[in-house]
Amino acid sequence: DAEITQSPRHKITETGRQVTLACHQTWNHNNMFWYRQDLGHGLRLIHYSYGVQDTNKGEVSDGYSVSRSNTEDLPLTLESAASSQTSVYFCASSEAGVHEQFFGPGTRLTVL
Amino acid sequence: GEDVEQSLFLSVREGDSSVINCTYTDSSSTYLYWYKQEPGAGLQLLTYIFSNMDMKQDQRLTVLLNKKDKHLSLRIADTQTGDSAIYFCAETSGSARQLTFGSGTQLTVLP
Repeated sequence: DAEITQSPRHKITETGRQVTLACHQTWNHNNMFWYRQDLGHGLRLIHYSYGVQDTNKGEVSDGYSVSRSNTEDLPLTLESAASSQTSVYFCASSEAGVHEQFFGPGTRLTVL
Repeated sequence: GEDVEQSLFLSVREGDSSVINCTYTDSSSTYLYWYKQEPGAGLQLLTYIFSNMDMKQDQRLTVLLNKKDKHLSLRIADTQTGDSAIYFCAETSGSARQLTFGSGTQLTVLP
């Protein structure tokens, strides 16, 4: 069955370290998204991609970057982790021209 | 930016109906969604409604849309303990493929 996976599921890191969160989907979806979920804020869009080599900034992109070298993967990198980036991160994907998004199980990141 | 708002908490008794409300500001919203998030899991799409519809029913779920007031609601009939979760309202507009989410409503079903 097609799916979307995230790794790691839990990560603890220190302030200033670089961290990369992986997202992999097997639906062959063109569109991929990264969100963060914080209490009282719902999900906020960090970065998104509409295809290979395409990346775009979302609402809360400062301190994050993404790259899209193939259809299946959209890794999210925190260049220099900050305590304010402690959150639960969700990856999602959707087909081109279709709005429904499918979500991964999430990565809980703690920055100490 | 555009805004989607929901109340944070709702408690109901098992067997009663639940009504979760959402308001949005984007008058060009084309699709409105309800997602469900169970503890420790990602979001699952429950249902959606196109902006030219007033109501959509899907088994125990009824979605009502009042475009004039920019108000969306999700009614769950005969609420069960398995319905306890966080429910997110979301919207998208025009050709945009991005979703704007509300803060989520934590539904607690009491026995």
